[in-house]
Amino acid sequence: GENVGLHLPTLSVQEGDNSIINCAYSNSASDYFIWYKQESGKGPQFIIDIRSNMDKRQGQRVTVLLNKTVKHLSLQIAATQPGDSAVYFCAENSHTGTASKLTFGTGTRLQVTL
Amino acid sequence: NAGVTQTPKFRILKIGQSMTLQCTQDMNHNYMYWYRQDPGMGLKLIYYSVGAGITDKGEVPNGYNVSRSTTEDFPLRLELAAPSQTSVYFCASSYSSQGKEKLFFGSGTQLSVL
Repeated sequence: GENVGLHLPTLSVQEGDNSIINCAYSNSASDYFIWYKQESGKGPQFIIDIRSNMDKRQGQRVTVLLNKTVKHLSLQIAATQPGDSAVYFCAENSHTGTASKLTFGTGTRLQVTL
Repeated sequence: NAGVTQTPKFRILKIGQSMTLQCTQDMNHNYMYWYRQDPGMGLKLIYYSVGAGITDKGEVPNGYNVSRSTTEDFPLRLELAAPSQTSVYFCASSYSSQGKEKLFFGSGTQLSVL
C-alpha cells in the first residue's frame, strides 16, 4: 500500500548549523504535505505545509521543498537552535470519502548539540 | 484560547476494564480526529468525525468507539481494554477537510493496559 517514510531516524546537528530532514512518499495522488514538530511529552505542532502545485515554500527559519518527480519532501531549518530538538513528522494528505486523511511518517529525531 | 484539550494525561487500566478518553476543542472546528502513537511508529487514525452526529472509522478502529453529540466534544471509548491498546492517544481538530488540512493536536493521553 501507499506509505510515507523517512530516510533518517536520528539527525544530530550542531547549534547554528542548518538541518535537513528528508521524507519519501509513495502516493502520487497526494496533493498536500505537512511537517509537524513533536517535543517530548507533547502533541504534534504544525510547522509548515506545501501544496503539490508548489516546489518550495518558506517560513520563519524553515523551508519545505517538494520534488514530485522522485516523490521526495524535505524540511530545512536554518541556524538550528536547541529549541528545535524534537521529532519531526512529515505527512501526506489524500482525499477519501467525506474527509481528507493524513498519513504520517515514522518521524526523525533532531538532536541539537551545543 | 485553549485549543484542543485532552483528559486524562495518564491512565493505567487492567485488562478488561473500560474507560473514556475525553477531548474538547474551542475553535469551532467541524472536523475532529483520534490518533494513536506507538513507539517508533507514525500516528495511526482510529476514528474521525466531520461534524456533530457523524463519525467514521479510520485505519485502526477495532476495540474503540466514538460519539460526536456536539461540535466541541469527541470522546473515545475503550470497552474492554487489551494490552495492545497501550499507546499514546492524540485528539486533533481542523477547520475543514478540503485543501489546507492543518490539524491542531491535544497534548495526548498516555494509556497503559496491564
